[in-house]
Amino acid sequence: DIQMTQSPSTLSASVGDRVTITCRASHSISSLLAWYQQKPGKAPKLLIYKASNLESGVPSRFSGSGSGTEFTLTISSLQPDDFATYYCQQYNTFWTFGQGTKVEIK
Amino acid sequence: EVQLVESGGGLVQPGGSLRLSCAASGFTFSTYEMNWVRQAPGRGLEWVSYISGGGDSMYYADSVKGRFTTSRDNAENSLYLQLNSLRAEDSAIYYCARVGQSAAAGQIFDYWGQGTLVTVSS
Repeated sequence: DIQMTQSPSTLSASVGDRVTITCRASHSISSLLAWYQQKPGKAPKLLIYKASNLESGVPSRFSGSGSGTEFTLTISSLQPDDFATYYCQQYNTFWTFGQGTKVEIK
Repeated sequence: EVQLVESGGGLVQPGGSLRLSCAASGFTFSTYEMNWVRQAPGRGLEWVSYISGGGDSMYYADSVKGRFTTSRDNAENSLYLQLNSLRAEDSAIYYCARVGQSAAAGQIFDYWGQGTLVTVSS
């Protein structure tokens, strides 16, 4: 099984901050990594696929990078709507999610 | 507009059974692979099961293998999850999620339902 580890678990930031979340895979997954955003009481929403490709309609302040076992999600300038929990997901071998990173207001 | 609407959740005793449904609309259901994903209260996301568009291939997470069964009725545009031998640790919101069809993107989950809550407790 492929395990996914996100860091940090919680991140406190202010509007306008640059935010980076890291996701590590226990085995190489090439670029088969997605990022999702989830707000309380809502279903997850796809943000990025294949490590660095922005889903249609997702603001350009979101970006992703990485390949193999190390990946990052960056929000270039945090907006009020971005306070949420973010999950990485590998889809190289079935599907596995990271444990999530909660971005909260500082 | 793509819509996925889950139903069938509720309170069930340990060892009991439940059948979840996911009604799909706004797309050609039979041509899409589908999944179930669950989220325990206050916890992260866990993939549960996969079914191919034709319903002839299914895969399960080790945590539910042998207890849960996923199926679909393409004539009714519906996805199902049969939950048997339920345990307290199966308590969660259960989401159905569609697999996108872009070969370039791979098997990402592009649309999700709003979920149905299953609580296993005596």
